Order: sequence, then C-alpha cells, then structure tokens
Amino acid sequence: QSALTQPPSASGSPGQSVTISCTGTSSDIGGYNYVSWYQHHPGKAPKLMIYEVFKRPSGVPDRFSGSKSGNTASLTVSGLQAEDEADYYCISSAGGTNVVFGGGTKLTVL
Amino acid sequence: EVQLVESGGGLVQPGRSLRLSCATSGFTFGDYAMSWFRQAPGKGLEWVGFIRSKTYGGATQYAASVKGRFTISRDDSKSIAYVQMNSLKIEDTAVYYCSTGIYQHNHWGQGTLVTVSS
Repeated sequence: QSALTQPPSASGSPGQSVTISCTGTSSDIGGYNYVSWYQHHPGKAPKLMIYEVFKRPSGVPDRFSGSKSGNTASLTVSGLQAEDEADYYCISSAGGTNVVFGGGTKLTVL
Repeated sequence: EVQLVESGGGLVQPGRSLRLSCATSGFTFGDYAMSWFRQAPGKGLEWVGFIRSKTYGGATQYAASVKGRFTISRDDSKSIAYVQMNSLKIEDTAVYYCSTGIYQHNHWGQGTLVTVSS
C-alpha cells in the first residue's frame, strides 16, 4: 500500500483535459512544496514532468500543469494527445530525507 | 547530455546474489544522491532505496521489502552507483531503474531486467 493515494486509472478523449490526484497528509504533501510527477511509458525511462508542485522542466509541454490544495496534489493534462497515454506517479517529500510515493495512475487516451 | 545506464541484470536463482551498476555521465556525479526503483511485471514503480552524496556522509535508506538484503553504494571516481542484491527472492523479479535525487528525480536510466527463478 502506497503512502500517497492515486486513482488507479484516468481517461479522456484527444483534446480534452484530465486531472490526476495524489492525496497524502499534512506530514508530506500538505507540509512541503516538494511534490513531483513522473510519466512512465512501459519499457522506457520514467520522465520528470512536474517538480516543486507546479514547475515544469525545460522540454515538458505546457499542456502539463501541477497544483496543490491542502493535502492533495494534482496533475492536469490539457489538450490530451495519444502520446500522453502512460502511467503517472507522484512523489512527495515528507521532511528531511523521508519520501513518500503514489501507486501510479494509468492514463488512457480514448 | 546526462546519461544513466543500468547493467548487470539477468536470470538468477532464488537465494543467490546479483550486483547492478548505474553508469552515469554528463553531470557532477559526486554532488548528487542516487536512487534505485523497480517495476515488477504488471505492477507500478516501487522505490528501492537511495544513497546520499559524500557531502552528507553517503547515508543510505531502503524500502522495508529489501532492507537487510540490498546494499546501495557509490564510486564517485567512476561516477557509478551500485545495488548489491543478496538473498534474492522470486518477488524481486523486476526492471530496476536508477535515478538522480531523493524526492525529485530529474534523470533516469532505461532499466535492467532482473529475473529470479529456479
């Protein structure tokens, strides 16, 4: 059982927006602005999509955005494209070197 | 360009050992913590553990599922991170990935497959 709760699946049609949630506690997500999101296509290297809640690394399309409210972080993918179909994971600092992880969400583009 | 390349995977019998390597380039390896993750067939990514930089004493932390059996180390002179896996179990079968960082993983390798089977 993962410390951060993600829905196992999410879906949307091309062009639509979809939001994936990641729920923790006040000791992790709620207490720190160190939430990151990763995209993982099977058989490939995972890729950092969002860091520090809402920041995007260079090269990540601005269709990907992150936010946080209380103990829940969210990843929103706007203008869904076929290549966005992947597994998405959230990770949060829980203070010091403590880290907590989400179980992953499989995003399907219909 | 930052590169992380895992190697050392393969088929191993239960109870045996295996050492994985993560060779890196394109960044100052000694300045970074390194983490290991794995993905078992049909499962999600699972954190294995990490090793901090020498600046922080090279401290390590491990997931409960591997603590006492796996040891993560680093050779800053070669820019390589390792995970020594002992007393392997069938449930350790997975693709193993290395990454930079502890709670923010900017760079990842492509993974190496470890199959534990008799």
